[in-house]
Amino acid sequence: DVKVTQSSRYLVKRTGEKVFLECVQDMDHENMFWYRQDPGLGLRLIYFSYDVKMKEKGDIPEGYSVSREKKERFSLILESASTNQTSMYLCASRPPSEAGYGNQPQHFGDGTRLSIL
Amino acid sequence: GNSVTQMEGPVTLSEEAFLTINCTYTATGYPSLFWYVQYPGEGLQLLLKATKADDKGSNKGFEATYRKETTSFHLEKGSVQVSDSAVYFCALLLGGYQKVTFGTGTKLQVIP
Repeated sequence: DVKVTQSSRYLVKRTGEKVFLECVQDMDHENMFWYRQDPGLGLRLIYFSYDVKMKEKGDIPEGYSVSREKKERFSLILESASTNQTSMYLCASRPPSEAGYGNQPQHFGDGTRLSIL
Repeated sequence: GNSVTQMEGPVTLSEEAFLTINCTYTATGYPSLFWYVQYPGEGLQLLLKATKADDKGSNKGFEATYRKETTSFHLEKGSVQVSDSAVYFCALLLGGYQKVTFGTGTKLQVIP
């Protein structure tokens, strides 16, 4: 079974702090994703990465950055945390999607519930 | 662009009732379709999938059929249990693209 591990289940930080959320997957997947989940808004993609050192902005990248130095690890960084970044953060990984072939589903971690005070 | 529309929740059912959660999609091509489930306090888990028209995905008593003509992928279960209480997400992925498009989720509450 694919295992996606997020470093913290719950995290409390202060406004203005630099916050790191870590995610590790054990299936050698090329693609990794960071989402935030808020009531009534579903999942919103922040950033994704399709290879080491490669990244692309998702739908809501403002206030966030990411790092992918090793294939198995994808970090989300809140440069200067603000209260509107209080949310549930979900990491996911997946093999690459190829045109003309059945697509593999994403595998999710258990999430990090982040509170910014 | 691509989009997924799910029925709004919450949906409240009595145990052993029949469940339908509607999902329709818009896509520029022929996507793969997924249903994910999120139990309280957890991440999302794949529930079932279908990769082409008329495919039926099934798992744990849940079923969904990929209907190209109506661009739908409705989730059904004949007899729900309290343990099925969760949030259900419909999603699509187009071949050659990397981003999955999710619906907003439908919360299901099953009461004894």
